[in-house]
Amino acid sequence: IQMTQSPSSVSASVGDRVTITCRASQGVSTWLAWYQQQPGRALKLLIYGASTLQSGVPSRFSGSGSGTDFTLTISSLQPEDFATYYCQQGGGFPYTFGQGTRLEIK
Amino acid sequence: EVQLVESGGGLVQPGGSLRLSCSASGFSFSTRWMSWVRQAPGKGLEWVVNMKYDGSEISYVDSVRGRFTVSRDNAKSSLYLQMNSLRVDDTAVYYCVRMGGLEARRTADQWGLGTLVIVSS
Repeated sequence: IQMTQSPSSVSASVGDRVTITCRASQGVSTWLAWYQQQPGRALKLLIYGASTLQSGVPSRFSGSGSGTDFTLTISSLQPEDFATYYCQQGGGFPYTFGQGTRLEIK
Repeated sequence: EVQLVESGGGLVQPGGSLRLSCSASGFSFSTRWMSWVRQAPGKGLEWVVNMKYDGSEISYVDSVRGRFTVSRDNAKSSLYLQMNSLRVDDTAVYYCVRMGGLEARRTADQWGLGTLVIVSS
């Protein structure tokens, strides 16, 4: 199952609302997760089941979608949110990731 | 606190072998599925292998099947990846990951910092 993320990069300012989309080449129900990667830090699970917030993740992060189309929204960007984000499908093995979205400071 | 610490990476020639280790702490290792995920330099993520908590179920991505072997020692809370017949395109940071439970069971809810494997002559 191929995962296509868009955009591949985005520039935004603190306080902005940002949406990242992820499309699966075939339906994965709600077996969709989002991760955050920052240099020098372990990858962090943000959302699983397409919309369930992982424990400890701020509520400004939210996810939606089912089947083939999914979104990750950050409602009000904070300085610590600038990172690369990946979606990952768990609908069929091998689990696969999107190519990543790099979120940069404008 | 959950910790996953990988070791064993390094430089190896094409066709060579390497064994990665992952030492886990802070949770009940023997009850969790574990996996290896890799990331080539400057590239995206690739799920390599899953292993059930008791070792009875294992799934490999096609690109490593027959060359890589995953194992675990629940008494030592450790996960291993034996990599044989290494190729240049196996060059990557290899992450040890813990699989989530219940509704998060097809996700990686904890990651190590990774160990770098470079395959080059």
